[in-house]
Amino acid sequence: SQQGEEDPQALSIQEGENATMNCSYKTSINNLQWYRQNSGRGLVHLILIRSNEREKHSGRLRVTLDTSKKSSSLLITASRAADTASYFCATDAVTGANSKLTFGKGITLSVRP
Amino acid sequence: DAGVIQSPRHEVTEMGQEVTLRCKPISGHDYLFWYRQTMMRGLELLIYFNNNVPIDDSGMPEDRFSAKMPNASFSTLKIQPSEPRDSAVYFCASSLTGGRNTEAFFGQGTRLTVV
Repeated sequence: SQQGEEDPQALSIQEGENATMNCSYKTSINNLQWYRQNSGRGLVHLILIRSNEREKHSGRLRVTLDTSKKSSSLLITASRAADTASYFCATDAVTGANSKLTFGKGITLSVRP
Repeated sequence: DAGVIQSPRHEVTEMGQEVTLRCKPISGHDYLFWYRQTMMRGLELLIYFNNNVPIDDSGMPEDRFSAKMPNASFSTLKIQPSEPRDSAVYFCASSLTGGRNTEAFFGQGTRLTVV
């Protein structure tokens, strides 16, 4: 079953604009991660935020986490055409000794030149 | 390291045939995941291993699916017999700690078409 659900399902913006994508999840987590997938390729890790962190930055990426609302957001600032891809949130749910990474269905981002 | 290596990249087979997908994880990674991606259901976790031992196979759709990891450098996902609804992209991923504060590395996937 899906743990994370991204919102919106699709987003189209102009180059230079900011893109905000949201993720909600259901159970307690150790961390939440965001991945990117270009068409026809595997997923690539972007950023990880631990459950005790509220905000994290990496280059043009900014991730926030609100564990009380079980939600996260990914902000891409000053978007570029090359940012066009699908973006997924993944949660590492609390499952005892082991660790299980489950993904949402993804958000399709189109950045128009 | 060359990353996670999957083979074949594409597979077209007839309904009823056996299909075997292969994965070589990154050396030193303890966890290996098999995912299936479709437009309708997104990215589904099928099964994952820790130190070659299957931990959770609750995502395996039915008995036609089986997965093995005979050693730390090789895993297979087998579908027997295959059906058209199994058509999807299958991804293998590996990580140091299963996602517990480390990232997962994905292979390029195997696109399976069952006709």
